[in-house]
Formats: sequence, C-alpha cells, structure tokens
Amino acid sequence: QSVLTQPPSVSGAPGQRVSISCTGSSSNIGANFDVHWYQQVPGTAPKLLIYGNNNRPSGVPDRFSGSKSGTSASLAITGLQAEDEADYYCQSYDSSLSGFYVFGTGTKVTV
Amino acid sequence: EVQVVESGGGLVQPGGSLRLSCAASGFTVSSNYMSWVRQAPGKGLEWVSVIYSVGTTYYGDSVKGRFTISRDNSKNTVYLQMNSLRPEDTAVYYCARGAGGSGWYSYDMWGQGTMVTVSS
Repeated sequence: QSVLTQPPSVSGAPGQRVSISCTGSSSNIGANFDVHWYQQVPGTAPKLLIYGNNNRPSGVPDRFSGSKSGTSASLAITGLQAEDEADYYCQSYDSSLSGFYVFGTGTKVTV
Repeated sequence: EVQVVESGGGLVQPGGSLRLSCAASGFTVSSNYMSWVRQAPGKGLEWVSVIYSVGTTYYGDSVKGRFTISRDNSKNTVYLQMNSLRPEDTAVYYCARGAGGSGWYSYDMWGQGTMVTVSS
C-alpha cells in the first residue's frame, strides 16, 4: 500500500499546464527527504524525470518542473505535448518501521 | 553502454521459487545501491528490496522472509531469490540503480523488466 498519494488522473489540452500533487507525511516528505519523479509510458520501464525535488536529468525538457513544501510535492508540466501522455510516479524515502523507498499511487496524464 | 538487463522471469506455481538476475554494464554494481521494484498488472510501482554498496540489505514488508537480494561483484550482477511465491507476487520486476552508495537518492537507471507469473 502506497504511502504517497497522487490523483488518479489529470488531463489537459496541448499547450496547457497541468500539475500533479504528491501528498506524504511527517515520516517521508515532511521529514525533509527528497522527492523524485518518474515518467512511465505504458509497456515501458519508468524513466527518471525529476530528482532531488526540482532537478532535471540531462535530456529532460524544461517544461517539466518539481517543487516541494511541507509534506507534499508537485510536478508541473507546461506547454503540454502529446508525447507527455504517460503515467507519473513520485518517490521518496520513509523513515517509519515499514518504510524505506516509497512510491506514489501514480497519475495518468491524458493530453 | 551503461545499462542493466534483467532475466529469469517466467511462470511458476504457488509455493515455488525463482531467481532473477540483473546484469550491469558500464558501471560497477558494488559502487551504487541497487533495488528491485515490481509492478503488478495494471497497478503502480512497489519497492521490493535494496542492497547498499556496503552489502546491507532491506526488504518491503510484503516480501520479507521470502525474498533475498544479493550480488556477485565478479559478474557485476545483482540477484533476487524469490521463495514461497504467491499469486500476488505476479508482476513485472524491474532492476533499478540508486544514484549513490546508500541513502535516499533517485533511481537513475532502470532495466526493461522481467515478468513473473505465479499461477497453478
């Protein structure tokens, strides 16, 4: 059972901006552990999109940005493109007894 | 080329065993922490296990006591030994590289995954 909660789906027209929330607790995001984001096109492996809350790996367009505040984090996609249609997962570390590496519930982005 | 390639998946009966392999190239598995992450059909990602560069291992509650992660430095390969398999273990199993020796970094490299099906 995921300890990081995301909305099941978000949608937007091409060119629009969408945002995905990731809500955690005081044992993960609120404990100042970094949040990372992954993009998964159906049938393929996840791909690192944002690391350390707001950093983009080489090759990731600057249309993708991340932020973190308190016990939550967000991923924003501006200038939405058809190729952005995918599943998105947040991930962090959890310091509780049943913790370690935790993923969000996942959000399907539809363009 | 820097990559990881999983193998060893297949169909197994409930209660059976399977060993997955994750062969790395372009980097040394003992320098990074390596994890297994699984995804049941139509479901989200679930962290399964990690082995740190110093050899320390941890497991998710759903597999603790049944799965064992290990590595062979000479083969630059990480393994996941899965025993007492249950139908709910059915999933694609991904090998992922942590961007550090231990700690809470991102997973910056993923394999293509290997499918495990537990069914009679």
